[in-house]
Amino acid sequence: DAGVIQSPRHEVTEMGQEVTLRCKPISGHNSLFWYRQTMMRGLELLIYFNNNVPIDDSGMPEDRFSAKMPNASFSTLKIQPSEPRDSAVYFCASSWSDEQFFGPGTRLTVL
Amino acid sequence: SQQGEEDPQALSIQEGENATMNCSYKTSINNLQWYRQNSGRGLVHLILIRSNEREKHSGRLRVTLDTSKKSSSLLITASRAADTASYFCATDDTRGSYIPTFGRGTSLIVHP
Repeated sequence: DAGVIQSPRHEVTEMGQEVTLRCKPISGHNSLFWYRQTMMRGLELLIYFNNNVPIDDSGMPEDRFSAKMPNASFSTLKIQPSEPRDSAVYFCASSWSDEQFFGPGTRLTVL
Repeated sequence: SQQGEEDPQALSIQEGENATMNCSYKTSINNLQWYRQNSGRGLVHLILIRSNEREKHSGRLRVTLDTSKKSSSLLITASRAADTASYFCATDDTRGSYIPTFGRGTSLIVHP
């Protein structure tokens, strides 16, 4: 298995633009997590899906952020409009038990 | 959900020495996990210890859990330069849904 796949690996955009991050979880995993990592705030859980259903989105910072999981093999995290303070590394992780498997992350820079 | 807090924030040792990192948490847990993150990479699971376990080993890793003190430690014996990474603890809670939360990590540097 290729592991959790995230795209793009790097994204540089200008303030106000829409950004879409993509994740393909490991086949057979029923839970998917989106995290954001910054030096200041560490690793923050943004949203958690179980069987494609959002269970906890209390970590989503504001309405500019939205996440979807239309099927078991794909999820997106969208930021619209993006702001410089959204610059961070965004990780997707999947699991079927207590152990999480992380993707390589998307490094987002908003100018 | 709750957050584990790692201590120290940074640790610098020589190759061959042991490295000990600690994690404290606030409320009851089902299990506690340790993860490792190399620079520029995602986190990689190292070891899981359940609330009814006190100690667990995996290769050069030794994890202890003291539920009375709400703390855990990760010991890396005979450290190598390749162990240089950030180490995170993750705790779930006993509410049913597994939603792990991570601490801010311990940055370990092992000098060759």
